[in-house]
Amino acid sequence: DIQMTQSPSSVSASVGDRVTITCRASQGINNYLAWVQQKPGKAPKSLIYAASSLRSGVPSKFSGSGSGTDFTLTISSLQPEDSGTYYCQQYDSYPFTFGPGTRVDIK
Amino acid sequence: EVQLLESGGGLVQPGGSLRLSCEVSGFTFANYAMSWVRQAPGKGLEWVSTISHSGASTTYFSDSVKGRSTISRDNSKNTLFLQMGSLRAEDTAIYYCAKGGPSGYYGDFDYWGQGTPVTVSS
Repeated sequence: DIQMTQSPSSVSASVGDRVTITCRASQGINNYLAWVQQKPGKAPKSLIYAASSLRSGVPSKFSGSGSGTDFTLTISSLQPEDSGTYYCQQYDSYPFTFGPGTRVDIK
Repeated sequence: EVQLLESGGGLVQPGGSLRLSCEVSGFTFANYAMSWVRQAPGKGLEWVSTISHSGASTTYFSDSVKGRSTISRDNSKNTLFLQMGSLRAEDTAIYYCAKGGPSGYYGDFDYWGQGTPVTVSS
């Protein structure tokens, strides 16, 4: 199975800050990497697929980058509505696996 | 508007079974792979099972449910199912259905339902 790790496990930042979350796969995943946002008590929401493609309707403050085994999610200007937990997920091979999540809080 | 609505969750005794449903609307159900993903209380997301788009209806399962679960779809009713048996405490979770994205890659989930909670306890 492909293991996904994320760092940091949590981040607290101020409104307007730039926030970067890193995801690493245990082997190459051909950029089949998604980012998912989950707010407390809510269903997950897809933000990015194929490592860097923004899902329709998702604000452009979210961006993804990376290749091979190392990937990044960036929130360019953090807003209160961005608080929640962010997961990366590989869909290169079964079983599809998620990272442990990064909790984003507003200072 | 794409909508996915899960149902069928509840309290089940260890060793019991249940069938979860996910009724969808807003897209041509038969054309897309569908999946189940679960989340244990206070934990992260775990992929459970995927069924390909109509036609082949190939199925895939995580090791944690393989051999005691069936995923199926009724395209005439725009509904996805997950049948689970021999339930254990560790199956306690919110179960989400997820739609495969237009990329055609089955694990590329573009929409998620609100989830249905399953509790396995005596």
